[in-house]
Amino acid sequence: IAGITQAPTSQILAAGRRMTLRCTQDMRHNAMYWYRQDLGLGLRLIHYSNTAGTTGKGEVPDGYSVSRANTDDFPLTLASAVPSQTSVYFCASSRTGEYEQFFGPGTRLTVL
Amino acid sequence: DAKTTQPPSMDCAEGRAANLPCNHSTISGNEYVYWYRQIHSQGPQYIIHGLKNNETNEMASLIITEDRKSSTLILPHATLRDTAVYYCIVPPRGGADGLTFGKGTHLIIQP
Repeated sequence: IAGITQAPTSQILAAGRRMTLRCTQDMRHNAMYWYRQDLGLGLRLIHYSNTAGTTGKGEVPDGYSVSRANTDDFPLTLASAVPSQTSVYFCASSRTGEYEQFFGPGTRLTVL
Repeated sequence: DAKTTQPPSMDCAEGRAANLPCNHSTISGNEYVYWYRQIHSQGPQYIIHGLKNNETNEMASLIITEDRKSSTLILPHATLRDTAVYYCIVPPRGGADGLTFGKGTHLIIQP
């Protein structure tokens, strides 16, 4: 089934630990995005990639890094997690230049 | 992104049409209006988008006023599964650096 997957579904993490959230899509979309959603707030863009090999910073990039080695995968890394990074993380993809984005099911991350 | 204004919440009876308004008075002539929804604990889902003509698909209809300063998303026969937060978004033309989600409208379908 075509779509976008994320792993893990949820994770509890000790502060200071390193964590990579995985995102994979099979729609051959060039553009991919990472958002975070905190309780009662809308989604905020963390990082994006318009094509393999390129990435850009969104609204809230501090404390996060991304890579885009190929079209299908767009991992998000927290080098040293802090409690304020407790959130639900959504990955999305789209065709280049289009705003019809397809979202994954999300990863619920708790940093203690 | 052009600023959008939506009511924080709305109720609608099951089986009736749900009409969700959005104001976007600063929209530019070539900017589209997009609608997404987010059902509890799920990722956002694209619904529909339009420029100036009314649009309809299998999920909803989008009515944009002639001056393009406001629009209405219509769910013609709302079901309980339509209970969700609905987001009206006007992204900048030509950009591809993500969407700006506001707080949206929490639509509650009553049985």
